[in-house]
Amino acid sequence: DAKTTQPPSMDCAEGRAANLPCNHSTISGNEYVYWYRQIHSQGPQYIIHGLKNNETNEMASLIITEDRKSSTLILPHATLRDTAVYYCIVRVTGGSQGNLIFGKGTKLSVKP
Amino acid sequence: NAGVTQTPKFRILKIGQSMTLQCTQDMNHNYMYWYRQDPGMGLKLIYYSVGAGITDKGEVPNGYNVSRSTTEDFPLRLELAAPSQTSVYFCASSYAGREVGGQPQHFGDGTRLSIL
Repeated sequence: DAKTTQPPSMDCAEGRAANLPCNHSTISGNEYVYWYRQIHSQGPQYIIHGLKNNETNEMASLIITEDRKSSTLILPHATLRDTAVYYCIVRVTGGSQGNLIFGKGTKLSVKP
Repeated sequence: NAGVTQTPKFRILKIGQSMTLQCTQDMNHNYMYWYRQDPGMGLKLIYYSVGAGITDKGEVPNGYNVSRSTTEDFPLRLELAAPSQTSVYFCASSYAGREVGGQPQHFGDGTRLSIL
């Protein structure tokens, strides 16, 4: 199963772009990269996902390297409400259908 | 749309008691999941279901049971509550599993359960 590595914590100034990195060097060709966030014990919130190409939606952008071994989630204009734990997840290839393995994620603190 | 709804939001149980955590979704999703999250940790999969009448174990199924009689509902049963089951429980659903790919899971707000 592909695993991910994220920094445990990051700070970002309000209004600036937040760039959250993720390494997934063992990702296989048909596995997607997903990003979720969890704000203070609420349910995880889906942000964005991608396979090979860069993706953008109303919440964020996802940049995936050409070799697919790493990716970066970009919040273009971080606000205080973006303070949360951000999880980078690669879908497993084991028996559990569509299982998401959540690690410890990156705790992003947006500061005024 | 209500999305994924979990009840109750909070519950305190005594050791040995039983209870059912309810989960319902109104998105006509075929896949549903139960996760638990211990303090400061990521989520771990307890059970999942790929459709009505079909369930399977996840990473940490011991002490739990599930059923899936309808597409909408996926209750989680604790038969003999133990302190180790103190956790936050999240239910999630998605349109399809790994085969299709690219289908995000949508989560409920969780049930906070304490076993004393």
